[in-house]
Amino acid sequence: GAGVSQTPSNKVTEKGKYVELRCDPISGHTALYWYRQSLGQGPEFLIYFQGTGAADDSGLPNDRFFAVRPEGSVSTLKIQRTERGDSAVYLCASSRTSGSTGELFFGEGSRLTVL
Amino acid sequence: DAKTTQPPSMDCAEGRAANLPCNHSTISGNEYVYWYRQIHSQGPQYIIHGLKNNETNEMASLIITEDRKSSTLILPHATLRDTAVYYCIVFNAGNNRKLIWGLGTSLAVNP
Repeated sequence: GAGVSQTPSNKVTEKGKYVELRCDPISGHTALYWYRQSLGQGPEFLIYFQGTGAADDSGLPNDRFFAVRPEGSVSTLKIQRTERGDSAVYLCASSRTSGSTGELFFGEGSRLTVL
Repeated sequence: DAKTTQPPSMDCAEGRAANLPCNHSTISGNEYVYWYRQIHSQGPQYIIHGLKNNETNEMASLIITEDRKSSTLILPHATLRDTAVYYCIVFNAGNNRKLIWGLGTSLAVNP
């Protein structure tokens, strides 16, 4: 596709459930980022992939959060045992080069609501 | 990373220039200034970036002071569709490749 695609656009789940959020980056983009954004706040960095490997996962809040990018393209953010505080918009972005640019292309986000 | 300071909100009349300020007094010599905007319920959109020189593209102009401690994003003829939150970010491509976002400036363009 022409842009970064994220699915689902909206996800409502119950506390304690497992959730997967998918990101399909722009074709050929080697760097992929996950951010999350709470209401009224700027995006908060979670993890950055260069190819298949996580180059920086320092933003993942705890071990309930995990992300993979097995073939260097599509990425999945996985959240185990969801909590109400996980409710946010999860944003994915990709960039052309090896992460040396700050020009990122963002998707529309996946809005997660944990009841 | 150098932090940025922006006014929380601004207003602008449609058709007039919108000048959005940003302070980044602790910026290092190899750090760039990036601007993004986020229209309600959409993902952030890259606008422009610069290191030392002023920059212009089809969306906006970026004016960076000589001491690099502050910058101004200029939307020359603001339209209603420019209503958004504008983020000024200092980016270090060397040892820290992630963008650190503040709260931005909420710009309201009024008819």
